[in-house]
Amino acid sequence: GENVEQHPSTLSVQEGDSAVIKCTYSDSASNYFPWYKQELGKGPQLIIDIRSNVGEKKDQRIAVTLNKTAKHFSLHITETQPEDSAVYFCAASSNTGGFKTIFGAGTRLFVKA
Amino acid sequence: GAGVSQSPSNKVTEKGKDVELRCDPISGHTALYWYRQSLGQGLEFLIYFQGNSAPDKSGLPSDRFSAERTGGSVSTLTIQRTQQEDSAVYLCASSLKTSGGGLEQFFGPGTRLTVL
Repeated sequence: GENVEQHPSTLSVQEGDSAVIKCTYSDSASNYFPWYKQELGKGPQLIIDIRSNVGEKKDQRIAVTLNKTAKHFSLHITETQPEDSAVYFCAASSNTGGFKTIFGAGTRLFVKA
Repeated sequence: GAGVSQSPSNKVTEKGKDVELRCDPISGHTALYWYRQSLGQGLEFLIYFQGNSAPDKSGLPSDRFSAERTGGSVSTLTIQRTQQEDSAVYLCASSLKTSGGGLEQFFGPGTRLTVL
């Protein structure tokens, strides 16, 4: 079945450093790739997304890259701040037979001040 | 406007009892999703509703799990004869009709279910 693998499961960086989280997906029909941030006790919240017709997208300190040939996409956070500490989830979905979204297992990011 | 709301926020029940979890999506959102999140784990897809179409139930783990969406708005997830392994946070999300290839899902705060 469809699968999304996410690495690393835990990431610790110093404030100001960059953080990179990588995901791979199995369903070649996937065409929408969102990234969600989940803070303690809250539901996930979208931070950035990318569609299959785009290779890279940037929003201030956050960027996402997509390689459809290799079926992998990555989240890049630059100049990390303590408030970036949270769990980050990648996901993949397609409009083939519905919009079921498959999430990665999550990456717990710690930003040390 | 209000976001996605879920009730109750916490539910403690005894093994074998039935529970009902409620989700109120954002007004106008035709797509509604249920996920299960075990402690420290990712989001496990359970079921997806889109308008009046038949729901995608492919993620429901057993026939003890069922969900309804009445009037295209409020949804209830029912777990019958609960077991300890059902303990998790159940998250609901809604989005606008996904006609073009995926749109942002707005998540509720979740219902934390504990089965004793």
